[in-house]
Amino acid sequence: KQEVTQIPAALSVPEGENLVLNCSFTDSAIYNLQWFRQDPGKGLTSLLLIQSSQREQTSGRLNASLDKSSGRSTLYIAASQPGDSATYLCAVDSGANSKLTFGKGITLSVRP
Amino acid sequence: GAGVSQSPSNKVTEKGKDVELRCDPISGHTALYWYRQSLGQGLEFLIYFQGNSAPDKSGLPSDRFSAERTGGSVSTLTIQRTQQEDSAVYLCASQTRGGYEQYFGPGTRLTVT
Repeated sequence: KQEVTQIPAALSVPEGENLVLNCSFTDSAIYNLQWFRQDPGKGLTSLLLIQSSQREQTSGRLNASLDKSSGRSTLYIAASQPGDSATYLCAVDSGANSKLTFGKGITLSVRP
Repeated sequence: GAGVSQSPSNKVTEKGKDVELRCDPISGHTALYWYRQSLGQGLEFLIYFQGNSAPDKSGLPSDRFSAERTGGSVSTLTIQRTQQEDSAVYLCASQTRGGYEQYFGPGTRLTVT
């Protein structure tokens, strides 16, 4: 059974800092991995999706990497801003009807 | 275009009552998923619909939970005889056939008192 872990559960950084959010998964046989953002009381917004054959994806200040063999992904946020404050969720598609297995998320606070 | 919509946004119900939660997927998306987000549990898969195929109900926690999808579009998740442990945010997502990305709705926050 696939398990996804995100540690730490919460992170507080000063504005402008570059930061890395980590995600690990137990079964490397995945189809893709997706990073989401969730604001309080809201649904999920997809940030980046990395196919199993890819090593990384970039969108603006965000860069996500995938190392399937070691069961790890990282989300890099450059020059963090207070507006980046949210919960970041990592989810793995292991191919069985594409149902996603989620980590519990990392709640990020960027201090002005 | 319009995203995934869900209604109601909030629902408070008494223990033992039945509730229905609705999801309108993105037009043309053939796949539809229901997930539940509970405090301390994270997001968990409940049920999956793809076109006219039999749904994957493997994530439903008990037989009090059921879902249907009419006409390949709108879906309703029904919880019978609600319990306090059913309190959670219920999220719906849709996906194009052959696509990879799931697009989520804003969720329905269910509180069972």
